[in-house]
Amino acid sequence: GESVGLHLPTLSVQEGDNSIINCAYSNSASDYFIWYKQESGKGPQFIIDIRSNMDKRQGQRVTVLLNKTVKHLSLQIAATQPGDSAVYFCAETPTDSWGKLQFGAGTQVVVTP
Amino acid sequence: NAGVTQTPKFQVLKTGQSMTLQCAQDMNHEYMSWYRQDPGMGLRLIHYSVGAGITDQGEVPNGYNVSRSTTEDFPLRLLSAAPSQTSVYFCASKTYRGKPTEAFFGQGTRLTVV
Repeated sequence: GESVGLHLPTLSVQEGDNSIINCAYSNSASDYFIWYKQESGKGPQFIIDIRSNMDKRQGQRVTVLLNKTVKHLSLQIAATQPGDSAVYFCAETPTDSWGKLQFGAGTQVVVTP
Repeated sequence: NAGVTQTPKFQVLKTGQSMTLQCAQDMNHEYMSWYRQDPGMGLRLIHYSVGAGITDQGEVPNGYNVSRSTTEDFPLRLLSAAPSQTSVYFCASKTYRGKPTEAFFGQGTRLTVV
């Protein structure tokens, strides 16, 4: 069948503003939900995770929100900087397999001066 | 500390050729995996290993073989390359001593099959 989502959704953000990146997930039976960042030409890098029994977790300049009712995950980046320009992936870990990561398609974030 | 090292960084193959993508990690991680990344599709799991001598299939294993003879190395073999295998390949590792969420990725191998 045809591939879908060949063009990544893009979020354009002005430097200094807050960013919100959204992700809809499908597997309710996941232990963790995670955000990864991928800069151009590099491999993905772990940002933050949240366990399925939580609804909010904060890190350094980032906050992850989990809404299990509507199966929605979001990543908020405070005071976005040029170094935040990247593709952001949400991922989840199924309960029946410790190591597996299931990735979403990704969102391109472009930070403008 | 090198982390996860992949070689080569770029490769062009002709249809039908075989090759091995190398992956090595120096963090003594038990778990290693291979993903492929295609435009707009995120990363898809090809094969993974939970320790030396143990491998298993992921979501898209057809056309690929793996082996894990040591903790450090996890090579990915393309048996007979096809244009559909044109992709960017990432190797990742993680440890049972940490959470299952934090994988460490290599820089990737960009493979083109013509």
